[in-house]
Amino acid sequence: NAGVTQTPKFRVLKTGQSMTLLCAQDMNHEYMYWYRQDPGMGLRLIHYSVGEGTTAKGEVPDGYNVSRLKKQNFLLGLESAAPSQTSVYFCASSQALRVQETQYFGPGTRLLVL
Amino acid sequence: GNSVTQMEGPVTLSEEAFLTINCTYTATGYPSLFWYVQYPGEGLQLLLKATKADDKGSNKGFEATYRKETTSFHLEKGSVQVSDSAVYFCALSESASKIIFGSGTRLSIRP
Repeated sequence: NAGVTQTPKFRVLKTGQSMTLLCAQDMNHEYMYWYRQDPGMGLRLIHYSVGEGTTAKGEVPDGYNVSRLKKQNFLLGLESAAPSQTSVYFCASSQALRVQETQYFGPGTRLLVL
Repeated sequence: GNSVTQMEGPVTLSEEAFLTINCTYTATGYPSLFWYVQYPGEGLQLLLKATKADDKGSNKGFEATYRKETTSFHLEKGSVQVSDSAVYFCALSESASKIIFGSGTRLSIRP
């Protein structure tokens, strides 16, 4: 049971390039999330999904797109990377969409945009 | 809007010292409160949580009590170990799809 995994672990992009971050979970969780972590700002929600084929915007969705074609995978895309998107990206999943529900996090992807 | 404020770090303590990391929140309604921990090179993992006023969450020797009257959820441990060195995040859940995280407190424990 690997939990939540993320690919790649680290990536350097030039401004304007595109890339996709992959998140996979093997816990059969219905709900998945993408966060970004910036120094001194905690984690901020980018997008989330309440089930296969669904996505919704979070707190900071601009410049990102997501897809949930399979229940176990949640992809985060950057169509045209900008230096402001330099950050550490975390994927998370949860079993239910409840206020008290625990989220399970992946190890993160460190992205540097030059 | 709702928010979480936690003490800035870094916090450096000697092994076996008493630990307190302060966390206060503003929220409407009745949020659930969490402490997550991030060890070096890893993602966040739940340390403990409390879902209603006066609840005490506890795990691995850490404790925090949901204080509605002071809107606080301070993290405490009686005797820290080197292995507790990590970044600690206080968080509140205001809705089923949204967790608000504090900015994190880095804790370093000296042998």
